Amino acid sequence: DQQVKQNSPSLSVQEGRISILNCDYTNSMFDYFLWYKKYPAEGPTFLISISSIKDKNEDGRFTVFLNKSAKHLSLHIVPSQPGDSAVYFCAAPKGRNQGGKLIFGQGTELSVKP
Amino acid sequence: DAGVIQSPRHEVTEMGQEVTLRCKPISGHDYLFWYRQTMMRGLELLIYFNNNVPIDDSGMPEDRFSAKMPNASFSTLKIQPSEPRDSAVYFCASSLGGSNQPQHFGDGTRLSIL
Repeated sequence: DQQVKQNSPSLSVQEGRISILNCDYTNSMFDYFLWYKKYPAEGPTFLISISSIKDKNEDGRFTVFLNKSAKHLSLHIVPSQPGDSAVYFCAAPKGRNQGGKLIFGQGTELSVKP
Repeated sequence: DAGVIQSPRHEVTEMGQEVTLRCKPISGHDYLFWYRQTMMRGLELLIYFNNNVPIDDSGMPEDRFSAKMPNASFSTLKIQPSEPRDSAVYFCASSLGGSNQPQHFGDGTRLSIL
């Protein structure tokens, strides 16, 4: 049962344009979401998070939007840069008493072309 | 500050051999997580510890896998005997606090069982 889904395995964007990465979830009890970025041969790096009490969180070029009714979140990168080329994972903690047990999506590989 | 440190970075061994993966979490972090990443299953949690105590090992695939955390600065993941299907990248992560706290990942151990 894939509770966190990233349906696009890859995305290609031109430098300077907007990148939009999508993530869907099935468990309405999820109340916190995180995005991680992963370069080859490195571990995932925390990027940005959002609590379910918000519908938007912004950090520099990165903005995460949450639509609870649709059980959907998206990560916007504006403007995209070649250094943003990486695999992006969305994740959600399984439950309040799960000690941060994260469920990850399958990842979307972003390629930003100069 | 030093991040999560994993060793070795690469391990190649023959089927049937014992494999030991090592992790040093970030100092002061009270949660430690072991993940495995494969093409088929993505990034999946194997086990996590809180204050050196294993809390949830439901992700450990078989009895051939075991994990220990003898102190706050060291953890091991052992596979004995190893099998080719254990080939994957194994990540260790740590966090301060549990739910809704970002986890910080090491760069992983790429394990190949021949």
